[in-house]
Amino acid sequence: QSALTQPRSVSGSPGQSVTISCTGTSSDVGRYNYVSWYQQHPGKAPKLMIYDVSKRPSGVPDRFSGSKSGNTASLTISGLQAEDEADYYCCSYAGSYTYVIFGGGTKLTVL
Amino acid sequence: EVQLVQSGAEVRKPGESLKISCKGSGYTFTSYWIGWVRQMPGKDLEWMGIIYPTDSDTRYSPSFQGQVTISADKSISTAYLQWSSLKASDSAIYYCARSGGFTYGPDYWGPGTLVTVSS
Repeated sequence: QSALTQPRSVSGSPGQSVTISCTGTSSDVGRYNYVSWYQQHPGKAPKLMIYDVSKRPSGVPDRFSGSKSGNTASLTISGLQAEDEADYYCCSYAGSYTYVIFGGGTKLTVL
Repeated sequence: EVQLVQSGAEVRKPGESLKISCKGSGYTFTSYWIGWVRQMPGKDLEWMGIIYPTDSDTRYSPSFQGQVTISADKSISTAYLQWSSLKASDSAIYYCARSGGFTYGPDYWGPGTLVTVSS
């Protein structure tokens, strides 16, 4: 069982927007602004898309954005493109005993 | 360009030992932490632990403490993940990944090492 809860799947049509939620607790997502999001295509290593809740690494399109409210972080992808179809994982710092935890992953299907 | 080059796929029998490696290049190896992440077949990502190569400060997830050993040799910019006695349930892809600290998720990832444990 994963520590952070994500929907198993979401879908959207090209050009639409989708939001993936990541629900934790007041000991991880709610306490620290160290939430990151990763995109993983089949057979590939994960790629960092968002860090520190809402910051984008260079090279990541501004169609990807992150936010947080309380114990829930969100990744929004606007203007969906076919290449966005992948698994997405959230990640949060969880304190000096557990350290870093991932969500269970969300499969994004572009219809 | 930041690169993390991992050792190749391994096949071992239950009870055997194993050490896999991750060599960093394109950045100052001693300025970042290197973590290890497990992904079992068709499953999600699991953070195992992390090491700071400068002084070998190592932190483990409670789920992996005592199950694996993380080490590093800063002289050759290489981090390691090792098992003393493998189990079939250790079969997975293992990614090394760079982090700015143990509070952060990784920024750059290696391609992964597939470990298969089977009798």
